[in-house]
Order: sequence, then C-alpha cells, then structure tokens
Amino acid sequence: AQSVTQLGSHVSVSEGALVLLRCNYSSSVPPYLFWYVQYPNQGLQLLLKYTTGATLVKGINGFEAEFKKSETSFHLTKPSAHMSDAAEYFCAVTFTGGGNKLTFGTGTQLKVEL
Amino acid sequence: KAGVTQTPRYLIKTRGQQVTLSCSPISGHRSVSWYQQTPGQGLQFLFEYFSETQRNKGNFPGRFSGRQFSNSRSEMNVSTLELGDSALYLCASSVAGRYTEAFFGQGTRLTVV
Repeated sequence: AQSVTQLGSHVSVSEGALVLLRCNYSSSVPPYLFWYVQYPNQGLQLLLKYTTGATLVKGINGFEAEFKKSETSFHLTKPSAHMSDAAEYFCAVTFTGGGNKLTFGTGTQLKVEL
Repeated sequence: KAGVTQTPRYLIKTRGQQVTLSCSPISGHRSVSWYQQTPGQGLQFLFEYFSETQRNKGNFPGRFSGRQFSNSRSEMNVSTLELGDSALYLCASSVAGRYTEAFFGQGTRLTVV
C-alpha cells in the first residue's frame, strides 16, 4: 500500500521568501511522485512530477522538488514566493503498473503575506 | 487543445435522489479517473476507466458507479444520495494505460440537501 504525508496543513510565508512544502511517502515499490496545485473552486494543475531519472525536478512557476529515496521525501520548494502562489498544494503518489490511481496527501494551504 | 470538461459545474440534489455527472476527456486520452474531494476526507480515488473497462476501484460503496463510452467520455452515477456525498467530484484524463500525466477538469460541485 502507498501513502503520502504532508507536514503542515497551513504554511504562511512573506512575499519574496523561500517556500518549502513537505511531503513524505511510503511505497513498497518505486514510486511516481507528483505535486499539484489547486486554486479555489478549480481542479488540480500539475506542478511537477518525478517518475525516473534525475532526482531534482523542475516544474512550472519556478517550483522544484527533489526526490530523496533515503529520506522517502519529495519536498516542494520555490526560492521566492509571489502573492499568486497562494493556493492549496497536494502531493500524490502512484507506481508503475498502478494505472492512474493517485493517492493524495491531505494538502497544504499556502498563504503569502506582504 | 480543449481540456477536460466536466458537466454540470454545480448541482443541488435532495437526499435519496440519484445523480449523473459527465466527463469529456482530452481528445486522444483513453483513461478517465474520478476523485471525490471533501474537507474531511480530502481527495479520494473513486475509480478509473480505460478503454471502456473499469481498471481500478477505490473504497466506496456500490451506490457509486461509473462507465466509459467508446469515445472515452465517462459518466459517474451516485444513487440514493446521502448528505455525506456532498463534495467536489473531479475527473482526470490520461493518454494511455501505464501511468502518464493526469489532467484534471474543474470539477462538479454536488450539494445534497
């Protein structure tokens, strides 16, 4: 069975500050990992994904994440927060052969303050 | 290229009724998955259809069902609605069988009163 844990249901940063959203996963097989963003009353938009290969993954809007197998982590970072980054962020996991069944974390609400 | 289209966007139903939600995937995508999102339970997988066959199923009661048509469009049905079925229902489409990027629609907001 697979699971994802997102530490911190709410994170607040100042505009221009580093964004760090934490995600730890549990999987008995090599995982595929994803970060999605959701704006109010909207669907999910893929920020970035890790399947195989390079462990540092760059996504849209300046976000990146590093797959660390030894720490079972896939934390999302952005060097400088912008007001438009305020949204809810979800980490998700699946695995090869898992079809398209994504297991999501509980989400982290990011607030960006002036 | 058109995105994933879900209809309707908003729906209000009464307890005991049934409801059908529709999802049109991106052209060329053959896999459609459904998720339920609630404040209490978060995002939960309902089921996935690929080439008109249910390939994966989540842990939901039999009141929740779905199907996929030959043009890959999908519908999900909830019978005997309960208050707890109030949620945002999201549809995601992907190109093919092995995991590929999932594109989500804007969802259908179902309110059961």
